[in-house]
Amino acid sequence: GNSVTQMEGPVTLSEEAFLTINCTYTATGYPSLFWYVQYPGEGLQLLLKATKADDKGSNKGFEATYRKETTSFHLEKGSVQVSDSAVYFCALSNVNFGNEKLTFGTGTRLTIIP
Amino acid sequence: EADIYQTPRYLVIGTGKKITLECSQTMGHDKMYWYQQDPGMELHLIHYSYGVNSTEKGDLSSESTVSRIRTEHFPLTLESARPSHTSQYLCASSGGLVYGYTFGSGTRLTVV
Repeated sequence: GNSVTQMEGPVTLSEEAFLTINCTYTATGYPSLFWYVQYPGEGLQLLLKATKADDKGSNKGFEATYRKETTSFHLEKGSVQVSDSAVYFCALSNVNFGNEKLTFGTGTRLTIIP
Repeated sequence: EADIYQTPRYLVIGTGKKITLECSQTMGHDKMYWYQQDPGMELHLIHYSYGVNSTEKGDLSSESTVSRIRTEHFPLTLESARPSHTSQYLCASSGGLVYGYTFGSGTRLTVV
């Protein structure tokens, strides 16, 4: 079956630090991969996605590259801000195998201190 | 603007009351989902629907029920609320999984 393993949190960084949140997956075939962000008191928002191997998704200074050889989709940002404090979820979908649901990781709480 | 709406945002209710959490989307999506999110952040799928008159139970057993009479509307009902139902409930829809989900803002339910 499908599964997503996400870096355990919480993660605390100083403003302007470099961020990496690790995500690895298990799936048959060619899944699409996503990062979602959840700000306090809100629902999840799509941050970025990649639909095939070697694709790079990017948005708001965040990037993630779909690495099929390592089954990974790590989230990175070069210089984090206090406003990036949120919970981040990695997810996959595997449309070609009839799975009509996203599989989510357990979430990583990120706190940025000034 | 196409979006997905959940009401109420916050609800405090007494044990034994019947409640309905509303979820509506204006994007014409066939697929809709309900998640329960515990304080540890993890998301648990409790119900989903692939279209009108189609509903299925999710991965986490729930005492709630859902209906899908119209494409845009996917309400969740608890016949008799209990403190163990206290949680955040998130509704989502999808126009195709290559695009992912669009989530509502959630309903935070507290049963006292």
